[in-house]
Amino acid sequence: AQSVTQLGSHVSVSEGALVLLRCNYSSSVPPYLFWYVQYPNQGLQLLLKYTSAATLVKGINGFEAEFKKSETSFHLTKPSAHMSDAAEYFCAVSDKSYGGSQGNLIFGKGTKLSVKP
Amino acid sequence: GAGVSQSPRYKVAKRGQDVALRCDPISGHVSLFWYQQALGQGPEFLTYFQNEAQLDKSGLPSDRFFAERPEGSVSTLKIQRTQQEDSAVYLCASSLERGYAYNEQFFGPGTRLTVL
Repeated sequence: AQSVTQLGSHVSVSEGALVLLRCNYSSSVPPYLFWYVQYPNQGLQLLLKYTSAATLVKGINGFEAEFKKSETSFHLTKPSAHMSDAAEYFCAVSDKSYGGSQGNLIFGKGTKLSVKP
Repeated sequence: GAGVSQSPRYKVAKRGQDVALRCDPISGHVSLFWYQQALGQGPEFLTYFQNEAQLDKSGLPSDRFFAERPEGSVSTLKIQRTQQEDSAVYLCASSLERGYAYNEQFFGPGTRLTVL
């Protein structure tokens, strides 16, 4: 069975500083991995996804993530934080119990990012 | 174009009441998912539809939960005899094709249910 662990329920950075949000996964099969962002009172929005092509994935709003099989990690980074990045971020793995034919997601508990001026 | 919409956005129910939560997916999307997000947690899968067929309901927490999508578009999640532990945000998501594991899911804003 797949699972996701996000280290740190709350991360605080200064504006302009590096953003690093950690995600580790557990999967017995090659995973599909996703990062979603949730702004207050809004639905989740896809930032980026890994589907076994390039290990470095670039997403929207300047975010990127690197798939590292040896570390079972998929950490999210952004070189320079902006105030508008303050939100909650969720890492997810696609449930492959059905051989990849269904697609429901298994989410981590989320990391709330605060950006200080 | 319009995204996924959900109604109501907020619902307060007394314990024991029945509630119905509506999801309007993006037009033409084949797959529809319901998730439950408890406070401080990530979303958890409830059920999956491919068009009008409910192919997976393994995540529904009890037989008080029921979902339908009779014409393959709008979906309703019904909770009978609500309990306090049902308080959560209920999220609906749709995707264009049948639920391949790599497909992007588009999420609605959710319905926040509070059971008193």
